[in-house]
Amino acid sequence: EAGVVQSPRYKIIEKKQPVAFWCNPISGHNTLYWYRQNLGQGPELLIRYENEEAVDDSQLPKDRFSAERLKGVDSTLKIQPAELGDSAVYLCASSLGSGAEAFFGQGTRLTVV
Amino acid sequence: TQLLEQSPQFLSIQEGENLTVYCNSSSVFSSLQWYRQEPGEGPVLLVTVVTGGEVKKLKRLTFQFGDARKDSSLHITAAQPGDTGLYLCAGDPPGNEKLTFGTGTRLTIIP
Repeated sequence: EAGVVQSPRYKIIEKKQPVAFWCNPISGHNTLYWYRQNLGQGPELLIRYENEEAVDDSQLPKDRFSAERLKGVDSTLKIQPAELGDSAVYLCASSLGSGAEAFFGQGTRLTVV
Repeated sequence: TQLLEQSPQFLSIQEGENLTVYCNSSSVFSSLQWYRQEPGEGPVLLVTVVTGGEVKKLKRLTFQFGDARKDSSLHITAAQPGDTGLYLCAGDPPGNEKLTFGTGTRLTIIP
């Protein structure tokens, strides 16, 4: 069975440009997470979905970040406009339910120049 | 304030040595998970501990959940170069279903 799939793996953009990341979770996993991981640190939660509902987006910088999970399956995370400080690895994870084992994708490494 | 503090932040030891890394919090957790992350990859789950005082073994890795479910440790016996990576603990406090990660321990095993 395929794991969590993310694309692209790498993205380099100039500041003030928009960028979008895509995630396809494991089939049947209702819970989907987006995390941001800075170099050498643990992941920090940006948003958590239960099916198509965002149940925890308290850590999402809503002035420039947005996310969608329209059909409760795959999800996109967008940044517009990007800032230098947004450079990080953006990880998507899915699980059968909140608190259950989370399976992570390989992440998208974003570099804003 | 970080909910989960891990120590040490960095650890570099010779192959064959033993080591212990720690995950501490002032909060009680319903369960706690340990992940290992290699460069360029997402974290991979190693184990989940649920019961206070629980001990789980995974080959040369021994995981323990504190009696009060506020802390955990990971002990590696006879470390191998393949153990190199970023070790992360993560937990979900009761009443808060957010899976929260610790600060991580970056382990390097020198051949």
